Amino acid sequence: AQTVTQSQPEMSVQEAETVTLSCTYDTSESDYYLFWYKQPPSRQMILVIRQEAYKQQNATENRFSVNFQKAAKSFSLKISDSQLGDAAMYFCAYRATSGTYKYIFGTGTRLKVLA
Amino acid sequence: EPEVTQTPSHQVTQMGQEVILRCVPISNHLYFYWYRQILGQKVEFLVSFYNNEISEKSEIFDDQFSVERPDGSNFTLKIRSTKLEDSAMYFCASKTGMNPSGANVLTFGAGSRLTVL
Repeated sequence: AQTVTQSQPEMSVQEAETVTLSCTYDTSESDYYLFWYKQPPSRQMILVIRQEAYKQQNATENRFSVNFQKAAKSFSLKISDSQLGDAAMYFCAYRATSGTYKYIFGTGTRLKVLA
Repeated sequence: EPEVTQTPSHQVTQMGQEVILRCVPISNHLYFYWYRQILGQKVEFLVSFYNNEISEKSEIFDDQFSVERPDGSNFTLKIRSTKLEDSAMYFCASKTGMNPSGANVLTFGAGSRLTVL
């Protein structure tokens, strides 16, 4: 069964600095999607960035980028120039491309941004 | 920007009572999901719904749970006889099946917090 592991329950970063959130996953599939979702306090989860496993190039979205290491089954999120508004719970998620409709989430990493 | 809306935002109920959580997915979306998050734990898949039927469900989604799309806009989750361990945040999500670039991106609602006493 596929699993997603986020080993950092909580991280802190100074405003304007860079932070990396870790995610590893386990799957026997060769093609799949990976996602990072952000959940601000008392708000809904919103998509930060997504990566298709067949693409070797790491996805980037403005200050957010990923380091996708398929062989190591690692999918870390880098936030550059951290802002106070980045403070949230961050969830890593996996979805196979076929055979299932479900998305599998990790336990989340709470990111604190220090002024 | 289109949103997934959920009601109520918070419901407190007595153990054994029936609860209905409501969701209005984005209008052109075709796939609908319910997830739950027990406080401090991971977001867990409950059920997915497509073409007016359950497409997949987890072991959590037992006979006490049911889903319905009664009128083409609402998507409801019913818990027939709530237990203490049903206390959680319940998230509705939807996605389109029609735009390849966004086809696998879930849009979530803000959640309904259920407290069972």
